[in-house]
Amino acid sequence: DAKTTQPPSMDCAEGRAANLPCNHSTISGNEYVYWYRQIHSQGPQYIIHGLKNNETNEMASLIITEDRKSSTLILPHATLRDTAVYYCIALGGGADGLTFGKGTHLIIQP
Amino acid sequence: GAVVSQHPSRVICKSGTSVKIECRSLDFQATTMFWYRQFPKQSLMLMATSNEGSKATYEQGVEKDKFLINHASLTLSTLTVTSAHPEDSSFYICSTTGWASGSHEQYFGPGTRLTVT
Repeated sequence: DAKTTQPPSMDCAEGRAANLPCNHSTISGNEYVYWYRQIHSQGPQYIIHGLKNNETNEMASLIITEDRKSSTLILPHATLRDTAVYYCIALGGGADGLTFGKGTHLIIQP
Repeated sequence: GAVVSQHPSRVICKSGTSVKIECRSLDFQATTMFWYRQFPKQSLMLMATSNEGSKATYEQGVEKDKFLINHASLTLSTLTVTSAHPEDSSFYICSTTGWASGSHEQYFGPGTRLTVT
């Protein structure tokens, strides 16, 4: 699985869009970009994934650069409940366990 | 998405005893489940992959005789920590994958906090 790099922490004001970057410059053609988050003392929660195209669901949007070397997770209107550690993971399609990096600790400020 | 439960949510046991943690997929037939553990202020680490009806596959450095995994049905996988020691104190989390049905994401249980005294 390709290595991913994320900033260790970010702050965002409540109600604003939170943009979380992820670098995955060695991603291979068959690897997807997945985003999960973990709220303190809970199990991780799936957010979104994509291969090449930008994706949007009820939780977030995922913007993947054309060369696929980086991506950005966008939470359009952050709330205090979005405070969590966000993990970006590159993984080929298949039933494999996940390798979690250190993620980005997103803190939403009131 | 799939709903995954774990029992117990937290457990305290004495050193040398064994503890069983259950992971249930409530609305999804989970042919594959994963077990992770998370030490304080660290990321989740994959321990093993559990396949229904067959032996689990353990990650390097995880003792298979210490962490016994049983996946006897499509809805239940169990992790037994045998002869637990204080260094086994951790947050244990299971997940299921929707891969078999064409979905890619994993769904995680709420976790079990184990404290060994």
